[in-house]
Amino acid sequence: GQNIDQPTEMTATEGAIVQINCTYQTSGFNGLFWYQQHAGEAPTFLSYNVLDGLEEKGRFSSFLSRSKGYSYLLLKELQMKDSASYLCAVRDLGSGNTPLVFGKGTRLSVIA
Amino acid sequence: DTGVSQDPRHKITKRGQNVTFRCDPISEHNRLYWYRQTLGQGPEFLTYFQNEAQLEKSRLLSDRFSAERPKGSFSTLEIQRTEQGDSAMYLCASSHGAGGGNEQFFGPGTRLTVL
Repeated sequence: GQNIDQPTEMTATEGAIVQINCTYQTSGFNGLFWYQQHAGEAPTFLSYNVLDGLEEKGRFSSFLSRSKGYSYLLLKELQMKDSASYLCAVRDLGSGNTPLVFGKGTRLSVIA
Repeated sequence: DTGVSQDPRHKITKRGQNVTFRCDPISEHNRLYWYRQTLGQGPEFLTYFQNEAQLEKSRLLSDRFSAERPKGSFSTLEIQRTEQGDSAMYLCASSHGAGGGNEQFFGPGTRLTVL
């Protein structure tokens, strides 16, 4: 089966750091993606991890532990425009190699 | 702008009618995906193409749904005899290939409302 879990909602303060966790159970694994989605808009790509460790990209970093089926997205120096849903997605070999399996998303609210 | 485009952006239809959506991928991308997203959920995979070949269909895709990608360029998704449960955002995405970090680029979506 396929299961991707992430918190439904989080709130953080402007300028702070927030960590959004994602755990997954899939029949195969060929990479984990994080997408940002503002209300009413399409998801936009943030990061990709296929090996264990931390990938840093500006204010955003993503971490992966394949043995634990765990990832997190770290957002630093939060800005109001970071208020959005953050989607964790896994490329599951068991479902045909390339379609992504998405979690339900974490709705992040950044407050002043 | 050479991103993924979708048409129409919004569609309101009555139950039982047929609807067709179009997706134009990024021109050099050979893979094209259709997803469906409802409020508060992540996108759910429906089907995908490599060039003109439809490689996989989700078990979620009933026989009322059909997708085509003639000539490996744009794609259409048709829903026949629409039901209220079909109301959702239909997202199209494209990517350059299967391996590595070939992220999928999403279009703006078509929001379908079935009355």
